[in-house]
Amino acid sequence: TQLLEQSPQFLSIQEGENLTVYCNSSSVFSSLQWYRQEPGEGPVLLVTVVTGGEVKKLKRLTFQFGDARKDSSLHITAAQPGDTGLYLCAGDFTSGTYKYIFGTGTRLKVLA
Amino acid sequence: GAGVSQTPSNKVTEKGKYVELRCDPISGHTALYWYRQSLGQGPEFLIYFQGTGAADDSGLPNDRFFAVRPEGSVSTLKIQRTERGDSAVYLCASSKEGYEQYFGPGTRLTVL
Repeated sequence: TQLLEQSPQFLSIQEGENLTVYCNSSSVFSSLQWYRQEPGEGPVLLVTVVTGGEVKKLKRLTFQFGDARKDSSLHITAAQPGDTGLYLCAGDFTSGTYKYIFGTGTRLKVLA
Repeated sequence: GAGVSQTPSNKVTEKGKYVELRCDPISGHTALYWYRQSLGQGPEFLIYFQGTGAADDSGLPNDRFFAVRPEGSVSTLKIQRTERGDSAVYLCASSKEGYEQYFGPGTRLTVL
């Protein structure tokens, strides 16, 4: 059974601080996605990474895919209260099936 | 254009009753997914349709759960003999090519 573990589970930081959240698996991902979810809404896709070692940037967010495609990280620079939410990673373990397994989530709260 | 819509937004039912949850995907999206999300957890995969057929239903927890997509667009998730443990938010997502899933706001199901 493929399992995605995210850490930390909870994170509360002050506005302007940097943070990194992690997504790890014992299995190789075909592709991996990061989502952000706000209360009462569905997850919203932030990025998809496919190639080992790939780095993608989205404004203050930097996403990295591990060389072995078993792990990923999301780094936020100068966090803002608007970054508050549940961050989820989702992995597709079998190419072409498009069946995504979601991680346990990291709940981030950025205090003004 | 319109996003993924789900109805009802909230459903309260009694243990043992039958419920139907509806998902209207984005027009032209061939793939449709159902997930279940319990409080504080990431979405749990239930079933994935490609067109009218269920490409992968391995996430359905038992035979009380069934989903259909008869014309390759709207999908209905059906739960028979509901149990209190079925209480969760049921999320639907659609995708054009598999990579980018667009989620609806979910249906919050409460089984009393």
